[in-house]
Amino acid sequence: DIQMTQSPSSLSASVGDRVTITCRASQTIGTSLNWYQVKTGKAPKLLIYGASTLQSGVPSRFSGSGSGTDFTLTISSLQSVDSATYYCQQSYSIALSFGGGTRVEI
Amino acid sequence: EVQLVESGGGSVQPGRSLRLSCAASGFRFDDDAMHWVRQAPGKGLQWVSGISWNSGTLEYADSVKGRFIISRDNAKKSLYLQMNYLRPEDTALYYCVKDAGRTPRVWDEFDNWGQGTPVTVSS
Repeated sequence: DIQMTQSPSSLSASVGDRVTITCRASQTIGTSLNWYQVKTGKAPKLLIYGASTLQSGVPSRFSGSGSGTDFTLTISSLQSVDSATYYCQQSYSIALSFGGGTRVEI
Repeated sequence: EVQLVESGGGSVQPGRSLRLSCAASGFRFDDDAMHWVRQAPGKGLQWVSGISWNSGTLEYADSVKGRFIISRDNAKKSLYLQMNYLRPEDTALYYCVKDAGRTPRVWDEFDNWGQGTPVTVSS
């Protein structure tokens, strides 16, 4: 099975900061990498799919990059509403898997 | 508007069974694969199981293989998860999730999620 490792596990930043979260796959997954935002008490929300494509309706301050085994999620200018936990997920293999999550505090 | 409404969660003793259901609306249910994803208290997201549009492909996480059975009824626009031999570590919020079906691959990203149904396994 493919293991997904996210870092950091948590971070604290200020409004307006540029924030980067990394995700590493245990084997190459091409660009089959997706990012989700989870807020307490709410259903997860798809942010980025195919490593770099912004889901419809997601603010442009979110962006994704990478291929192979190393990926990043960047929030260009952090807003208070971005306080959440972010998960990467690979959709390359038949057995899907998520990273451990990155909690973003503002 | 896509809606996914889970039901069937509750509290059960270890070793017992529970069946979760998910009622789908707002999209062509028989077009897309579907999944169950769970989140244990204070833990991260874990994919549990997936089923292709025609039930031809069924896959499970190792932690539930042999105990859980995923199924769907396209005529009823419903997804199910039969959970047998439940363990305390199965305690979680269970989400019904729609696959985007964007590519010819078996699975794609998860583009719509339900609100979840809680399952507690405890003696």
